[in-house]
Amino acid sequence: SQTIHQWPATLVQPVGSPLSLECTVEGTSNPNLYWYRQAAGRGLQLLFYSVGIGQISSEVPQNLSASRPQDRQFILSSKKLLLSDSGFYLCAWAVPSSYEQYFGPGTRLTVT
Amino acid sequence: GQNIDQPTEMTATEGAIVQINCTYQTSGFNGLFWYQQHAGEAPTFLSYNVLDGLEEKGRFSSFLSRSKGYSYLLLKELQMKDSASYLCAVRDGANAGKSTFGDGTTLTVKP
Repeated sequence: SQTIHQWPATLVQPVGSPLSLECTVEGTSNPNLYWYRQAAGRGLQLLFYSVGIGQISSEVPQNLSASRPQDRQFILSSKKLLLSDSGFYLCAWAVPSSYEQYFGPGTRLTVT
Repeated sequence: GQNIDQPTEMTATEGAIVQINCTYQTSGFNGLFWYQQHAGEAPTFLSYNVLDGLEEKGRFSSFLSRSKGYSYLLLKELQMKDSASYLCAVRDGANAGKSTFGDGTTLTVKP
């Protein structure tokens, strides 16, 4: 069966510090991978998606970047965090051409 | 672009039926999802509609009218555990399966 892991679960970082969130998927090959951010009381905003190793599409201009160094690994990074980067970050995967996305447990990031 | 509208909050009584509406205006359409999200947790998939009509799955049903840009999620025999946020999302990218999410409807079920 397929599983998706995200870590850490919670993170408190000062403004200006770097960020690295990792997401890994098990039990499937060549998945589509996604990073979303959810602000309090809001829906999910798609940040990045990837259809293959090294292939990253950015949906909104921002202070973040993403990388996919391996087939089932997706990393979200920032060189210098802003207060506005606070939120609930969710990684998701999907079988290409399928419609359902499966979400990881999420990382709650607070930038202070 | 995409625009998705849902009511912000709804309240219903245990055992009752509730309908959560979603309207959308999109530049492309490849299906509509409903997800359930409990506070502090990740969303979980409830339903997917790509053709007009009603899809029933246990206590939950979802309806789609593409011509009207309208969907609803129907929850029957409400239980306390149904208290959650319900997210409507439109799939607009056939290749990468990109979806645009509404802000969600927070449903509170009262005894």
